Amino acid sequence: KAGVTQTPRYLIKTRGQQVTLSCSPISGHRSVSWYQQTPGQGLQFLFEYFSETQRNKGNFPGRFSGRQFSNSRSEMNVSTLELGDSALYLCASSLGRGEHIGELFFGEGSRLTVL
Amino acid sequence: SQKIEQNSEALNIQEGKTATLTCNYTNYSPAYLQWYRQDPGRGPVFLLLIRENEKEKRKERLKVTFDTTLKQSLFHITASQPADSATYLCAGPGYSTLTFGKGTMLLVSP
Repeated sequence: KAGVTQTPRYLIKTRGQQVTLSCSPISGHRSVSWYQQTPGQGLQFLFEYFSETQRNKGNFPGRFSGRQFSNSRSEMNVSTLELGDSALYLCASSLGRGEHIGELFFGEGSRLTVL
Repeated sequence: SQKIEQNSEALNIQEGKTATLTCNYTNYSPAYLQWYRQDPGRGPVFLLLIRENEKEKRKERLKVTFDTTLKQSLFHITASQPADSATYLCAGPGYSTLTFGKGTMLLVSP
């Protein structure tokens, strides 16, 4: 079956702009997590959605937001972009049964560069 | 807060040798740990999961151990090959998500 699809793969924005990233999880997976990856900080958790509800949120400012649709597809938005937002944004899906976190299936990521 | 820590320095080994990577956890007792492989510019790929009551788990040339006394997991690749060169990430469960270590880069030279 198809894997996790993230779009766009690469994008360049300027400071102050906003960006929306999209993630289509594996069919049947109801949990979608978003991570930011930078060389210095590694994988930092942004938020996790399950059945259209945000279950958990990482320590990021309110400029970072997300949502999940009824078909489990998810989007994340970053407003008022800063240079430090340049990173690889990774989406991961899982079956997400209750509190148990199984294996995460990652997409290839969206590489955001802020100039 | 719970932490997953991995050696940030790259590990360089020769082809054919066994690579051993370390993952330490602090401030909590994870029910399991997971290991992922990540190639440059790609998303991480799941390799193995080991539960706290499992001392050791194997998959082909991979072996993972879980020592709750030392609060540590070791990840071994036997008979390493240049194709094993990648960054390896350790992850433990948080609330509805996984907490990842920063990863250790493994470089296997021919």
